Amino acid sequence: DAEITQSPRHKITETGRQVTLACHQTWNHNNMFWYRQDLGHGLRLIHYSYGVQDTNKGEVSDGYSVSRSNTEDLPLTLESAASSQTSVYFCASRLEPTGELFFGEGSRLTVL
Amino acid sequence: AQKVTQAQTEISVVEKEDVTLDCVYETRDTTYYLFWYKQPPSGELVFLIRRNSFDEQNEISGRYSWNFQKSTSSFNFTITASQVVDSAVYFCALSGRGSTLGRLYFGRGTQLTVWP
Repeated sequence: DAEITQSPRHKITETGRQVTLACHQTWNHNNMFWYRQDLGHGLRLIHYSYGVQDTNKGEVSDGYSVSRSNTEDLPLTLESAASSQTSVYFCASRLEPTGELFFGEGSRLTVL
Repeated sequence: AQKVTQAQTEISVVEKEDVTLDCVYETRDTTYYLFWYKQPPSGELVFLIRRNSFDEQNEISGRYSWNFQKSTSSFNFTITASQVVDSAVYFCALSGRGSTLGRLYFGRGTQLTVWP
């Protein structure tokens, strides 16, 4: 079955380190998204991509970057991790044409 | 701007009670989509329903039903005869048409606890 997977599922890192969260989908969806989930804030959009070589900033993009070199993968990079980036991160891809997002299982990141 | 408000932060009910989760949205788009997602204690996000703005028919799926009212910008979700397995955080979300389609704006979620 087609799916979307995230790795690592749990990570602890230190302030200032670079961290990359991987997201891989096998549905061949063009549209992919990264959200973060924090208590009291729901899910907020970090970055998104509508296809290979396309990346766009969401509402909370500061301190994050993404790249899209193929259809299947959208890695999220924290260039210099900060404690404020401790969160649960969800990757999603969009089913066309109906539009709903399908989410990965989430990656819990703790920045000490 | 797109905005979704779920005013109920937490709701507790006893099994077999009916419960309605409220969702109010704001958008300037004339065509848009509304969604509900469920997040059980295990943490994954499960898609429940998608509704187009031009389709105001209410929808029922088993014990779940959705009431979409454009006049009040609301898309409420009712669970009939609730069960313990319904305990979860429920998110309402909104996306616009065209280039913003797929960018979902989420409410802050409603934590539903169903007691046996």
